[in-house]
Amino acid sequence: AQSVTQLGSHVSVSEGALVLLRCNYSSSVPPYLFWYVQYPNQGLQLLLKYTSAATLVKGINGFEAEFKKSETSFHLTKPSAHMSDAAEYFCAVSANDYKLSFGAGTTVTVRA
Amino acid sequence: GAGVSQSPSNKVTEKGKDVELRCDPISGHTALYWYRQSLGQGLEFLIYFQGNSAPDKSGLPSDRFSAERTGGSVSTLTIQRTQQEDSAVYLCASSPRVGQGYNQPQHFGDGTRLSIL
Repeated sequence: AQSVTQLGSHVSVSEGALVLLRCNYSSSVPPYLFWYVQYPNQGLQLLLKYTSAATLVKGINGFEAEFKKSETSFHLTKPSAHMSDAAEYFCAVSANDYKLSFGAGTTVTVRA
Repeated sequence: GAGVSQSPSNKVTEKGKDVELRCDPISGHTALYWYRQSLGQGLEFLIYFQGNSAPDKSGLPSDRFSAERTGGSVSTLTIQRTQQEDSAVYLCASSPRVGQGYNQPQHFGDGTRLSIL
């Protein structure tokens, strides 16, 4: 079965500081990996996805993630946090055509 | 419409009542998905449709849950004899077709927040 583990349910960063959200995956086949963001009372918005074309994936809002097969990781980073980055972030994996399996989520707060 | 539309946005009902949740996917999207987001279980896959057929219903929690899709467009998720553990946010997503290729991201609606009293 495919699954992801997000390390840290809450992350607090200062505005302008690095944002690092950790995700490790477990998959018996080459996975498709995703990061989604959820703002309060809204649905999920796709930040970026890995589909084996490149190990470093750039997404929206200045986020990027690096796929490391040796570490089974797909960590999300942003060099400089903005107040608007405060939200909940979900890592997800799919090893088939349709079903996404999500991590438990990481809530990001940004301090002024 | 421009995005996935779900209605109602909020629903409060008494235990034992039936509820219907509606999802209107992005025009032209043939694949439609239902997920449930709850405090205890996180985000869970429920069911997906390719056109009007549902090849995988394995995520539906019990036989009180059912879903249908008509005309390859609108989908309805029905929960019969609701229980308090059904309280959650029900999210719908759609994609141009089934598949996780670069051009097949799942686009999510804002969800229906269901509260069972």
